[in-house]
Amino acid sequence: AQSVAQPEDQVNVAEGNPLTVKCTYSVSGNPYLFWYVQYPNRGLQFLLKYITGDNLVKGSYGFEAEFNKSQTSFHLKKPSALVSDSALYFCAGADSWGKLQFGAGTQVVVTP
Amino acid sequence: NAGVTQTPKFRILKIGQSMTLQCTQDMNHNYMYWYRQDPGMGLKLIYYSVGAGITDKGEVPNGYNVSRSTTEDFPLRLELAAPSQTSVYFCASSYSTSGGNAQYFGPGTRLLVL
Repeated sequence: AQSVAQPEDQVNVAEGNPLTVKCTYSVSGNPYLFWYVQYPNRGLQFLLKYITGDNLVKGSYGFEAEFNKSQTSFHLKKPSALVSDSALYFCAGADSWGKLQFGAGTQVVVTP
Repeated sequence: NAGVTQTPKFRILKIGQSMTLQCTQDMNHNYMYWYRQDPGMGLKLIYYSVGAGITDKGEVPNGYNVSRSTTEDFPLRLELAAPSQTSVYFCASSYSTSGGNAQYFGPGTRLLVL
């Protein structure tokens, strides 16, 4: 069985400040972890994924994520947030068959 | 290359009515998925397909049916609509079911059952 958890319903950050969105996972075997972003009235867009290898994964739009096996975490980060980063962010874990288990989502609000 | 397209964008159904949500992808992906998104609940997998003629249940299949006659199309059928099926429905596709492959999502269908 696998699951992911996003402990924060909402994250507020000022434009230009670092942004972190937290995710923890519980999976058996090698974890396949993903971050997706959803803008209002749109489908989910793929940001980045971790399969194996480097613990720091770089993705789209300046986002990166840090995989930490000892803490079973996969936090999404951006060094300098933009107002346009305001959206709903989902962490997801996949089993070996590719079926995704999503976290509940974290709303990011970036204020000017 | 349109990616994953879904129709309709929005629909209101009366209790007991039926409808089909359409999903088409032009990326030649073998693997397709249907999810529903409820507020604060993330996405739940309804059904998935690993290729034409092959479908399987996901986490929340009750009240739904699917078919996959072609690689491109993966319609979701609602029979006897119930208020509990009010949700936003997303179709997705991927190159394979290997855990490391990203899924690509359509824009969604918002369904209201009254």
